[in-house]
Amino acid sequence: DSGVTQTPKHLITATGQRVTLRCSPRSGDLSVYWYQQSLDQGLQFLIQYYNGEERAKGNILERFSAQQFPDLHSELNLSSLELGDSALYFCASAFGGDANTGELFFGEGSRLTVL
Amino acid sequence: AQSVAQPEDQVNVAEGNPLTVKCTYSVSGNPYLFWYVQYPNRGLQFLLKYITGDNLVKGSYGFEAEFNKSQTSFHLKKPSALVSDSALYFCAVRDTGSNYQLIWGAGTKLIIKP
Repeated sequence: DSGVTQTPKHLITATGQRVTLRCSPRSGDLSVYWYQQSLDQGLQFLIQYYNGEERAKGNILERFSAQQFPDLHSELNLSSLELGDSALYFCASAFGGDANTGELFFGEGSRLTVL
Repeated sequence: AQSVAQPEDQVNVAEGNPLTVKCTYSVSGNPYLFWYVQYPNRGLQFLLKYITGDNLVKGSYGFEAEFNKSQTSFHLKKPSALVSDSALYFCAVRDTGSNYQLIWGAGTKLIIKP
């Protein structure tokens, strides 16, 4: 058990809809990372928050947004969903603000299916 | 451009034999290199890292990796494979550019046959 909790584990929705994925980081970790894993594109970094502030942005679509709350949990909002958004979305946490140590703790992911 | 390559989509090894999963990288400056493992229906787990020091790095579950600067490689190895080692393995390197994020390889599926 990594200590990172993601909900929901599975989500099925229709095109055009909006969903929210939630992540609770490991106790004491200040950074939260969001990744998208799909069969054709591998593991893609979306966005990182550190202690409530956006730290780095990756290949995140404008239809997607995220935030980190004062209690350090994070939410990833996906809107105007398309079939191609179907993927496994991972949250990872770390104590520090950059990938200096590289030891990220991953949750088990939220599998999103858009029909 | 900074990148990581895992040249093999899949590696098949008989149980008890040594295994190697290959990774090559391209970054400017000194590389920070990592290996992660993903078991079916699970998140990724950190295995080991190289930042500086000894070129042979030991990690979890009996895995080790050898850093080779001249060949820009960081291959993952284990002397004797177990069926339970079957999983997806990812190599990553820290981006030395503006955002210091990890750049991930595409992953290598390791299958250990009894």
